[in-house]
Amino acid sequence: EPEVTQTPSHQVTQMGQEVILRCVPISNHLYFYWYRQILGQKVEFLVSFYNNEISEKSEIFDDQFSVERPDGSNFTLKIRSTKLEDSAMYFCASSVRRAEDTQYFGPGTRLTVL
Amino acid sequence: ILNVEQSPQSLHVQEGDSTNFTCSFPSSNFYALHWYRWETAKSPEALFVMTLNGDEKKKGRISATLNTKEGYSYLYIKGSQPEDSATYLCAFNFGNEKLTFGTGTRLTIIP
Repeated sequence: EPEVTQTPSHQVTQMGQEVILRCVPISNHLYFYWYRQILGQKVEFLVSFYNNEISEKSEIFDDQFSVERPDGSNFTLKIRSTKLEDSAMYFCASSVRRAEDTQYFGPGTRLTVL
Repeated sequence: ILNVEQSPQSLHVQEGDSTNFTCSFPSSNFYALHWYRWETAKSPEALFVMTLNGDEKKKGRISATLNTKEGYSYLYIKGSQPEDSATYLCAFNFGNEKLTFGTGTRLTIIP
């Protein structure tokens, strides 16, 4: 069964460093998403991406964040200068259509900022 | 702010017993409800997408109902098994692309 994959599973970085989190969505899906869960809090939406551009973003997704689909398979989230409060589990998801369609999630990347 | 609440936060159930838990949401602006099962170190697994008031969906021993007018959904598990131990998340589309998640219900099945 097709699945969303994410690498790495765990990333440790120093405050101020840039990180890139990678995702391979399901191949026939058109919509791509990033969510995160800070420990003990709800899963929260960061950004959605369709047709090679951001379609919606949350207020968390400031200028320090960017997303890219550099080729036909990968979808990346870059954090330019990490802060302690960026420590979280980051989930990638994809769906065929928007809104009511099922979003399929990857296993997440645990980011630890020291 | 559109808030989604789940109760209880955690639940211990004896193997073989049935159980249910609740997701509540603002009844206006409703578009779709999603239920996920999330086991530690794995991907959240999609269980159901529900859009219609009165909808009832079933997958094996798990079923869900939806009441959009009063703003709640129930998830039922019949005859709990150890593999049902997980966190169950509900999430909403309010007409746009993002999912707004509840806090989750952590279910532990006691053998």
